[in-house]
Amino acid sequence: KQEVTQIPAALSVPEGENLVLNCSFTDSAIYNLQWFRQDPGKGLTSLLLIQSSQREQTSGRLNASLDKSSGRSTLYIAASQPGDSATYLCAVSSSAGNNRKLIWGLGTSLAVNP
Amino acid sequence: ETGVTQSPTHLIKTRGQQVTLRCSSQSGHNTVSWYQQALGQGPQFIFQYYREEENGRGNFPPRFSGLQFPNYSSELNVNALELDDSALYLCASSPPGVYTEAFFGQGTRLTVV
Repeated sequence: KQEVTQIPAALSVPEGENLVLNCSFTDSAIYNLQWFRQDPGKGLTSLLLIQSSQREQTSGRLNASLDKSSGRSTLYIAASQPGDSATYLCAVSSSAGNNRKLIWGLGTSLAVNP
Repeated sequence: ETGVTQSPTHLIKTRGQQVTLRCSSQSGHNTVSWYQQALGQGPQFIFQYYREEENGRGNFPPRFSGLQFPNYSSELNVNALELDDSALYLCASSPPGVYTEAFFGQGTRLTVV
């Protein structure tokens, strides 16, 4: 059974710091991995999608890496800003069966302080 | 903005009532998935519809049911509401293909009192 864990659960940093969020999963048989951002009480915004055959993806100040064999992904945020404050969730797309359900971690709650 | 829209955005229901939540998928997307997110938790998979057929279901009781229409929009129905059904309900649509991205709507916040 696929399980996704995110560390740390919460992070508070001063503005301008570079930071790393971690995601681990137990079953390497995945289609892809997505990182999402969620603002309080809001829906999910997709940040980056990494296919199972890829090693990393970049979008602006965000870089996500994937090491499928070790069951790990990291989200790197460069030069953090107060507007980055949100919960960051990772989800893996299961390759078991016909459906492509996402299995989620509990998220990392990030606070970037001015 | 993803093009996935959900309605209503908020609603309050009484225990024992029934509720219908709606999702309009992004143009060209033929797969819709529904997730339940309790406060402080990650989303949990409820079920998925592909071309109007249920295509997988999570660990939710039969009082959670759904439909997908020919235009690929979808409904989530919950009967006999319980207090624990209070959550954010999220709809995601995906284009054809196995490796495609899921795009989420803004969610429906359901409160059961």
